[in-house]
Amino acid sequence: EPEVTQTPSHQVTQMGQEVILRCVPISNHLYFYWYRQILGQKVEFLVSFYNNEISEKSEIFDDQFSVERPDGSNFTLKIRSTKLEDSAMYFCASSPGQGFWGYTFGSGTRLTVV
Amino acid sequence: AQRVTQPEKLLSVFKGAPVELKCNYSYSGSPELFWYVQYSRQRLQLLLRHISRESIKGFTADLNKGETSFHLKKPFAQEEDSAMYYCALSGRNTGNQFYFGTGTSLTVIP
Repeated sequence: EPEVTQTPSHQVTQMGQEVILRCVPISNHLYFYWYRQILGQKVEFLVSFYNNEISEKSEIFDDQFSVERPDGSNFTLKIRSTKLEDSAMYFCASSPGQGFWGYTFGSGTRLTVV
Repeated sequence: AQRVTQPEKLLSVFKGAPVELKCNYSYSGSPELFWYVQYSRQRLQLLLRHISRESIKGFTADLNKGETSFHLKKPFAQEEDSAMYYCALSGRNTGNQFYFGTGTSLTVIP
């Protein structure tokens, strides 16, 4: 069964540093997403991406965040200057179309900002 | 505004006992409701969606629009059901994104 792959599984970074979280969506999927889950809280939508541009973003997705699909297979989330409150589990997801059939989550990257 | 509420953070039941994980939602319109499961250190996996009216691993969930609920039920819990369960909502008003509840951690005691 096809999977969404995320690397690394755990990343520790110092406050103020830039971090890039990587995702390889399922190959024939066209829509890509990032979600975040702060420990003990709900999974929250960050951003969706389609046709090489952001299609929707939440209030959480401010100027310190950016997304990119640099090479047609990877989908990255960059956090420019990390803060302690950015510590969370970050989930990537992809879907073949606009509906929810085939919407698949990755196993997540745990980001710890120290 | 859309919201998903899972009132129980933790739920423990004995093996073979019935289990019900509660989910209530707030949404103006016709929502699509889902249950996701996350086993220890693994990815979020779709367990079931209301529109499919299916039973997966013995779990069922009925959308009750009057009570705005989508409780997850299983008549006989198994040890392998121990996991984190998330109720999620989506629909035309939310774009192509999910709104999740805070999750319920289910422990099945042998």
